Amino acid sequence: QQPVQSPQAVILREGEDAVINCSSSKALYSVHWYRQKHGEAPVFLMILLKGGEQKGHEKISASFNEKKQQSSLYLTASQLSYSGTYFCGTEIQTDRGSTLGRLYFGRGTQLTVWP
Amino acid sequence: NAGVTQTPKFQVLKTGQSMTLQCAQDMNHNSMYWYRQDPGMGLRLIYYSASEGTTDKGEVPNGYNVSRLNKREFSLRLESAAPSQTSVYFCASSVLEGEMDEQFFGPGTRLTVL
Repeated sequence: QQPVQSPQAVILREGEDAVINCSSSKALYSVHWYRQKHGEAPVFLMILLKGGEQKGHEKISASFNEKKQQSSLYLTASQLSYSGTYFCGTEIQTDRGSTLGRLYFGRGTQLTVWP
Repeated sequence: NAGVTQTPKFQVLKTGQSMTLQCAQDMNHNSMYWYRQDPGMGLRLIYYSASEGTTDKGEVPNGYNVSRLNKREFSLRLESAAPSQTSVYFCASSVLEGEMDEQFFGPGTRLTVL
């Protein structure tokens, strides 16, 4: 049930771009993205819903391919503040088309941005 | 608005001891969650409560019990702690009306079992 994230780690210079991928073997109701800085709690970034609706961060974009059960998070012109571990959380769709009301989180992608 | 609060922040236990982790939220959310986070494993759901009066098992419920005391509070109990339960524990809450909305996380409890 746990989604697979790739890559496991990314190292960037300020201003460079990065893409983080998340894939699931289950039909998805939504995909959620969170960022966690060292020693802190995860913080919400955005939600991507079936049908294309997005809710969340203005400066970070993401896509959700419902047919492939895949999502990608796009970090453009990265800043030092983008450093942290990024987690995707998947909300699985039941056979009845509803949701269980819980997320399965991936193992995370560690992003380091250097000046 | 305090958001989600957790107590204690740190705890060291000996094998076999018991303890309760407390969590409270003041956002009037109906859903609450307990996760554990281990290095390289991401966040794994222990138990959750979709609404007051209901609780469900997550991915790793063995060795834990929960109580949804009221809409605000959701506690996690370790009856007989084991070294494998050494972890960082996060409580979270969310609005749940049909689909899930963002989860708000507490600051975490760092538990060491010797």
